[in-house]
Amino acid sequence: DGGITQSPKYLFRKEGQNVTLSCEQNLNHDAMYWYRQDPGQGLRLIYYSQIVNDFQKGDIAEGYSVSREKKESFPLTVTSAQKNPTAFYLCASRETEKVYQPQHFGDGTRLSIL
Amino acid sequence: GESVGLHLPTLSVQEGDNSIINCAYSNSASDYFIWYKQESGKGPQFIIDIRSNMDKRQGQRVTVLLNKTVKHLSLQIAATQPGDSAVYFCAENILTGGGNKLTFGTGTQLKVEL
Repeated sequence: DGGITQSPKYLFRKEGQNVTLSCEQNLNHDAMYWYRQDPGQGLRLIYYSQIVNDFQKGDIAEGYSVSREKKESFPLTVTSAQKNPTAFYLCASRETEKVYQPQHFGDGTRLSIL
Repeated sequence: GESVGLHLPTLSVQEGDNSIINCAYSNSASDYFIWYKQESGKGPQFIIDIRSNMDKRQGQRVTVLLNKTVKHLSLQIAATQPGDSAVYFCAENILTGGGNKLTFGTGTQLKVEL
């Protein structure tokens, strides 16, 4: 089945450690997105990419980095500079051939601090 | 800044009744709106969308109404079922130089009572 796969489902980070969250899609979508969700809040955009080898900062990019070397993959690194990384991270993708298309989401990675 | 918000954080309904979830948006440039359903521990699932040139759109058991005059969006769920229990988010789309960007509301928890 086509979809978006995020891994791992749960991730723990030690102080000073960088961790990378995986996002893979087989929907052949050009655009991919990373969001952060905190309890009782909506989704906030971290980074997004409209095409391979290009990405843009979202509203809360500080302390995060991304790469887009392949169309199918858009990994997110949470660096040690992100002082409050505990959250639910969601990856999404979207078809770009038509303007009005919804984003489709994976099932998230929950990141916690040890 | 512009934001999307929901009037009711929690909505409880009896099984079989109709549910109405409301959303206010403030950006008059928003041209596309999406409703998502999020179950616990999972990513948001697309329910229905509507473009700004429409007032109403119907799906299976769901209807979205858009009132651009007062910048208001609603999701109606007919014959609410226990499986409808979830958090519902509205999102508004704005086309920017960097592509389409979604802004999400904080969500409404729908609880279906048997």
